[in-house]
Amino acid sequence: KAGVTQTPRYLIKTRGQQVTLSCSPISGHRSVSWYQQTPGQGLQFLFEYFSETQRNKGNFPGRFSGRQFSNSRSEMNVSTLELGDSALYLCASTSGLGNIQYFGAGTRLSVL
Amino acid sequence: GNSVTQMEGPVTLSEEAFLTINCTYTATGYPSLFWYVQYPGEGLQLLLKATKADDKGSNKGFEATYRKETTSFHLEKGSVQVSDSAVYFCALSPFNSGGSNYKLTFGKGTLLTVNP
Repeated sequence: KAGVTQTPRYLIKTRGQQVTLSCSPISGHRSVSWYQQTPGQGLQFLFEYFSETQRNKGNFPGRFSGRQFSNSRSEMNVSTLELGDSALYLCASTSGLGNIQYFGAGTRLSVL
Repeated sequence: GNSVTQMEGPVTLSEEAFLTINCTYTATGYPSLFWYVQYPGEGLQLLLKATKADDKGSNKGFEATYRKETTSFHLEKGSVQVSDSAVYFCALSPFNSGGSNYKLTFGKGTLLTVNP
């Protein structure tokens, strides 16, 4: 069974631009969560989607948004990029059994 | 709100040494507790979990026991190997009486380096 796939693995953007990251969950998993990892703040929860609906949301500004498609694939979008948005963005999918989240390798975003 | 506190690193050990990484949590109800490991350049891998008090999670020689009385979930391994060098994260998922709640709260992470 394929794992969680995140694309692209690396991105370089400049301030003010916007970016879209993609996540394909494990087949059959309907919940997808997104996390931001930075050296200063550690791992922080962004949001979770289930059956195309945002079910949980962390404390991030509205520039961070996401969506989920009918095949459970998810995208997150960051608009008007700031230097502080440079981070590793991790996606995780869950089957619904045992609360276990399976993580992808992440997308490393650098904002210049 | 929920929070996880784990010991600051980095931790440097010699091969075959005993490992303990302390983790304590603050949460209402009965959260599920996890240890995740992150190898360089990779995402997080689940190492072990426990879902109720006194549960012991174990995997690859690592163990952790859910202690509700001390709100702790310390990670231990009797004999570490060079290949165990990684960052270890303690995390909790809050109790949810109805549906499911997959919002993980993580500790800051502990970098472990094992020297031959």
